Amino acid sequence: DAKTTQPPSMDCAEGRAANLPCNHSTISGNEYVYWYRQIHSQGPQYIIHGLKNNETNEMASLIITEDRKSSTLILPHATLRDTAVYYCIVRVAWGAGSYQLTFGKGTKLSVIP
Amino acid sequence: DTAVSQTPKYLVTQMGNDKSIKCEQNLGHDTMYWYKQDSKKFLKIMFSYNNKELIINETVPNRFSPKSPDKAHLNLHINSLELGDSAVYFCASSPTRAGDTEAFFGQGTRLTVV
Repeated sequence: DAKTTQPPSMDCAEGRAANLPCNHSTISGNEYVYWYRQIHSQGPQYIIHGLKNNETNEMASLIITEDRKSSTLILPHATLRDTAVYYCIVRVAWGAGSYQLTFGKGTKLSVIP
Repeated sequence: DTAVSQTPKYLVTQMGNDKSIKCEQNLGHDTMYWYKQDSKKFLKIMFSYNNKELIINETVPNRFSPKSPDKAHLNLHINSLELGDSAVYFCASSPTRAGDTEAFFGQGTRLTVV
């Protein structure tokens, strides 16, 4: 079972910032938060990940609360091509040093012209 | 160059047949995965290999058998296909199996069993 909770859908006006929230209240100290997106049946695309510090790359910013129980993915200037399902994932330890990505239902972001 | 490539992209076959899906990554990664996305769009991990060694094997029917001839390839063979096997299958790879590396996904293979 996924360890994260996300709203099922969100709308965002083109050119505005898209802020996608995620709750992960049972996260363990050494588990990373990952964000992926899936654009209309394509393969999932990695966006960003973090442990406890805020992270930024060319695609997005990740803000993690101090208690690590929630995070927000920020797309600073959403475009129509950002319309996709966004998955917030806590990478779960499998054992023997292995981890797996457990996808939940994600948030369907619709960017509106 | 495509980082993670799967073939075929589409596969339509009859119940009871045996089929294979191939996956290759040219990223030099040690770890590869197979995921299944069903009609409800849930993505679930099926298998994971690290340096040709099976490390994750979720509860899937033993009709599904992964094969890793080398660390750049992870093929999925399915015996006695059933209607419920219809789904999109994604291959992925990551540099290591550690918890802080991203995975790169292929474009998927849409399997339809009729």
